[in-house]
Amino acid sequence: AQTVTQSQPEMSVQEAETVTLSCTYDTSESDYYLFWYKQPPSRQMILVIRQEAYKQQNATENRFSVNFQKAAKSFSLKISDSQLGDAAMYFCAYRSRTGNQFYFGTGTSLTVIP
Amino acid sequence: EAQVTQNPRYLITVTGKKLTVTCSQNMNHEYMSWYRQDPGLGLRQIYYSMNVEVTDKGDVPEGYKVSRKEKRNFPLILESPSPNQTSLYFCASSFLGQGYGYTFGSGTRLTVV
Repeated sequence: AQTVTQSQPEMSVQEAETVTLSCTYDTSESDYYLFWYKQPPSRQMILVIRQEAYKQQNATENRFSVNFQKAAKSFSLKISDSQLGDAAMYFCAYRSRTGNQFYFGTGTSLTVIP
Repeated sequence: EAQVTQNPRYLITVTGKKLTVTCSQNMNHEYMSWYRQDPGLGLRQIYYSMNVEVTDKGDVPEGYKVSRKEKRNFPLILESPSPNQTSLYFCASSFLGQGYGYTFGSGTRLTVV
């Protein structure tokens, strides 16, 4: 089974600074999809960004961008100009090409310091 | 509004008393799934369904049942809940293929005493 590893249980960042959350995964597939989800204290799961493995270009959504290294099986999330509202638990996730397998990491709790 | 409706939001029950957590989506998604979230363990998949009458075990299916009689509904059944099933549960749905992400329900905080 595929596994998703987030090695940083907790991270903190000063407001307006940049922070990078790490994620690695294990798979034997060549085509798949990767996601970052945000879970604020309201516990609602919110999709932040999505990456297709066959695309070399790193995905970007406003202040959120990823560094996708396919050979290294690494998928980190960079948050620029951090805001207080970015404080949340962040989950990295992997979805197989066929779509029937969808795995999550253990999460990274991000604190934003005013 | 496109959404996944999950009920109840909070539930406290006693060991052994059967319960059902309901999940309904209005987006015509083929794929539906249940997860439990525990501190330090992330989200672990309990069961998933790729279409009506088609269900499969995830990573932690023991003690749970599901059914998919209609495309929109995917209830989670705990026949005899135990304290180790105390957790935060999420229902999620998506289209299959093309790497769609999930739409999540709002979660059910279950406590079994």
